[in-house]
Amino acid sequence: DAKTTQPTSMDCAEGRAANLPCNHSTISGNEYVYWYRQIHSQGPQYIIHGLKNNETNEMASLIITEDRKSSTLILPHATLRDTAVYYCIVRVESNYQLIWGAGTKLIIKP
Amino acid sequence: DVKVTQSSRYLVKRTGEKVFLECVQDMDHENMFWYRQDPGLGLRLIYFSYDVKMKEKGDIPEGYSVSREKKERFSLILESASTNQTSMYLCASNEGGQRTEAFFGQGTRLTVV
Repeated sequence: DAKTTQPTSMDCAEGRAANLPCNHSTISGNEYVYWYRQIHSQGPQYIIHGLKNNETNEMASLIITEDRKSSTLILPHATLRDTAVYYCIVRVESNYQLIWGAGTKLIIKP
Repeated sequence: DVKVTQSSRYLVKRTGEKVFLECVQDMDHENMFWYRQDPGLGLRLIYFSYDVKMKEKGDIPEGYSVSREKKERFSLILESASTNQTSMYLCASNEGGQRTEAFFGQGTRLTVV
């Protein structure tokens, strides 16, 4: 599976959009981009995933560049409860495993 | 909502004890996973199972075994607990097939003294 690179930490003001970048320059054609988050002392929570097209659900939007070498997770109106570590993972469909990096610690400030 | 339930939130055991960590999921998922999470090392896969009585080693299986006698239940066993197995243990499940997200339990923080 391709490796991902994320900033170690980011801040965002409450109510603003939080944009979390992820680089996956060695991604292959059949690898999906997944995003999870982990709030302190809880298990990871699935957010969204995509292959080529941009995706949106009730939690977030995922923007994948045309060359698929990077993506951005957007939380449109961040709240204090969005403070968490956000993980970007690329995964081959046929592979059961998710390879976890260190993630981005997002802190939402009042 | 999918629910993945781990039997204990916190556990303290002595070195050499046999430890059982239980995980139950209620969505009839094919696949179940055990991870451990340590500061600076992220989540590492210990074992996974893609069917009843089937298991596969992950990245760090040494010192652990697993059991899946029923589809909804996946147990992690520490045969003889050691202090370096002090960690957060996370169970997850997902459906078989394509494009399926994993659902995680709340985790068990195990301390071996």
